[in-house]
Amino acid sequence: RKEVEQDPGPFNVPEGATVAFNCTYSNSASQSFFWYRQDCRKEPKLLMSVYSSGNEDGRFTAQLNRASQYISLLIRDSKLSDSATYLCVVPPGGSYIPTFGRGTSLIVHP
Amino acid sequence: NAGVTQTPKFQVLKTGQSMTLQCAQDMNHNSMYWYRQDPGMGLRLIYYSASEGTTDKGEVPNGYNVSRLNKREFSLRLESAAPSQTSVYFCAGTSGGAAGTQYFGPGTRLTVL
Repeated sequence: RKEVEQDPGPFNVPEGATVAFNCTYSNSASQSFFWYRQDCRKEPKLLMSVYSSGNEDGRFTAQLNRASQYISLLIRDSKLSDSATYLCVVPPGGSYIPTFGRGTSLIVHP
Repeated sequence: NAGVTQTPKFQVLKTGQSMTLQCAQDMNHNSMYWYRQDPGMGLRLIYYSASEGTTDKGEVPNGYNVSRLNKREFSLRLESAAPSQTSVYFCAGTSGGAAGTQYFGPGTRLTVL
């Protein structure tokens, strides 16, 4: 099993839709989890962090399921500007080296 | 406050040429990283520096060297460029041991002919 796995997509949704992505991880010692957003030909930017059960920021909600070892990102009321690739990051416990997933592509259409 | 900056933004090299990619940050990051990103491969760690004065290999170090010149600067050198090193290179920094909270530079797009 790869350390961090994501469905590459693309997820193609209409404006206003709710969409969710999952990210599974293999290192049970990981304590913190992160979602990044990467626009085409741009650098990744931190979107949300998850340290316990979940985190919410406006239309975005991140959830952690330790028992099943996955995190999810829920986007409500999708906007055209949400079109991007969403990267899951899981630093192994105590490590300086974060492990990036390969990303999930989201396309929001009118 | 410029954040994390990288130079150059674009570069074309011929096979066998050498060059150094520069990265600087004014965010007081302790740790700095160099990644490459290729289509379908995601971000792969080349080298990292946990703190000033230390460097360590990442997942794909072959063909690269790094220097942590001071706390602000972390450079990546290609001694003899190969077409397989055509990629987008990102530098990133983080602080306080929170390896998942990374701030990236805008990237260098390198083509090796």
